[in-house]
Formats: sequence, structure tokens, C-alpha cells
Amino acid sequence: NAGVTQTPKFRVLKTGQSMTLLCAQDMNHEYMYWYRQDPGMGLRLIHYSVGEGTTAKGEVPDGYNVSRLKKQNFLLGLESAAPSQTSVYFCASSPFLGGYEQYFGPGTRLTVT
Amino acid sequence: RKEVEQDPGPFNVPEGATVAFNCTYSNSASQSFFWYRQDCRKEPKLLMSVYSSGNEDGRFTAQLNRASQYISLLIRDSKLSDSATYLCVVNIGGADGLTFGKGTHLIIQP
Repeated sequence: NAGVTQTPKFRVLKTGQSMTLLCAQDMNHEYMYWYRQDPGMGLRLIHYSVGEGTTAKGEVPDGYNVSRLKKQNFLLGLESAAPSQTSVYFCASSPFLGGYEQYFGPGTRLTVT
Repeated sequence: RKEVEQDPGPFNVPEGATVAFNCTYSNSASQSFFWYRQDCRKEPKLLMSVYSSGNEDGRFTAQLNRASQYISLLIRDSKLSDSATYLCVVNIGGADGLTFGKGTHLIIQP
């Protein structure tokens, strides 16, 4: 049982490049989330999904897109990376809505130069 | 505006001591409360949920004060392995999940 996995673990991009971060969970959870964590800012929600085929914006969605084509996968895309998107990105999943435990992946460290 | 406030620390505490820290939340509609633990360069993991009646898990005790809108975490007989950042987490019942505080950094010294 792998839980929540994220690929890649590290990535360096140049400004303007695009990339996709992959999150996969094997716990059959309905709800999935993408966060970014910056020093002094805490975890901030980018986008989330309440089920296969659905997505919604979180607190800081600008510059990102997401897709949930399969229940177990939640993809985060950066169309044109900017230095302000340098951060650690965490994916999380939860079996229930709202106030229940979220299970986090190990994170992706992204640097945009 | 959703907001969860924590003292960032660091709290430097000798091994074996008792340490406590609080977290305040601004939204009185908040419904559920948690403490998460995050080790350096790792993902957050649930430490414990916080119930209205308070709850205890071994050396850890969490309390909720709805009237004053704060939650607390008490760690007794602290261990070196307790060194981590402790995140206060609140949910107001929406589909967008949890609101995280910025964390309190705890360092247990031998």
C-alpha cells in the first residue's frame, strides 16, 4: 500500500517552460488536493477535486491547471512557469469531505529560474 | 477571511520537559480541528484530532476552547524525536478542505 505518491520529487525549470506534476493514490479516496508550501506562508490550497472528472479552485489557483480524469490520479500543470512558482508542492487525499484527515504525498520541490 | 495563527517559535526545550503551544482561529464557524506534525523536508502527518471534550494520546494532550477560539497542544516528557514543526489545522466544513497555520517549530535539546 503506497498511499499517496508524487512524481517527480525534484525539478528545475526555466521561466516560461511548462510541466505536469503527477499525484497518485491507491486508497480509493474521493477527494484530492494540491497545496504549495513556501517559507513563512504555510500550506496554501491551489486546486482540489471532489471526485473523478471534477475540479475546483482553491486559495491560490492562478498560473495552475488541474485534471482528474481517473479517480486515483490528480495532475497539476504549470503552463508557463514563473520564479514565483518556486515552491514545495504537496498533494493530499481524503476519504471524506472537509474536516477529516488528509493523507499527504512526499512533495515535489520545484525551482523556477 | 480564513485565518489560523500560531507562534512560529522556535521553542527550545530540554529533553524531559513539558511544552505547550496554542493556536487561534478567526472563523467561529470552524467545525473540526487538528494538529499535524511536519518533520524537516517531509510531508505533514496527522498527530491528533482535537475534540470539544479534549483528548489525550500518550504524552500528547489537545484542548479546544470554542469561546475563546483557540486550541492547544501539550507535550509531556518531551523526547528528542518530538523535534518538528507542529501545524494547527482548522476546517469550517467546506469542500475545500483544511486551513493550515504556518506552524510552530519545536526543538528538543539533549
